[in-house]
Amino acid sequence: DADVTQTPRNRITKTGKRIMLECSQTKGHDRMYWYRQDPGLGLRLIYYSFDVKDINKGEISDGYSVSRQAQAKFSLSLESAIPNQTALYFCATSEPLGGETQYFGPGTRLLVL
Amino acid sequence: RKEVEQDPGPFNVPEGATVAFNCTYSNSASQSFFWYRQDCRKEPKLLMSVYSSGNEDGRFTAQLNRASQYISLLIRDSKLSDSATYLCVVIASNSGYALNFGKGTSLLVTP
Repeated sequence: DADVTQTPRNRITKTGKRIMLECSQTKGHDRMYWYRQDPGLGLRLIYYSFDVKDINKGEISDGYSVSRQAQAKFSLSLESAIPNQTALYFCATSEPLGGETQYFGPGTRLLVL
Repeated sequence: RKEVEQDPGPFNVPEGATVAFNCTYSNSASQSFFWYRQDCRKEPKLLMSVYSSGNEDGRFTAQLNRASQYISLLIRDSKLSDSATYLCVVIASNSGYALNFGKGTSLLVTP
């Protein structure tokens, strides 16, 4: 079984809809991250969390919110989806002490029409 | 200006060739450096860390030049299976220890 799972794997939604992307991990890591990847722009950090009570904005947090429900779960929400949020979204986890290795989930492909 | 910059390529090389990728970073507080590999439509995976003394893992050699804020990856004896996008990644102490990714360099190894 995968250590980092994401649901759904693919999602098509309409402009203005609220959607949630979920991430679960069995690695026991405290640190979790959400990234988006766009062609030509690389991976960009949306939000990150160093433990259940810690939430931090990343480079591109506008239009997104997150919830760290437990050590193992970190959800990303788009309150009102817009077409330029169409992207590949990755969740990742890491150990403390600088998070040298990040372990990524398989990604969620989101299309906003 | 993006903090981590890479030549996007693509680099098209024949099997057996040696190929080198370069990466520069702008944040002088950067303290950890990595190369990740990403296959098409898949998640990134750690290839190797990069240390000041340089490090080697089989056919792969990584070098760091802190003075020039420059990182390199050398792949010797390229295999078809090396075809992927290689992401330069930097962690800075003044950015919450989150990974800062370059846009990636695309490599295609041909028969």
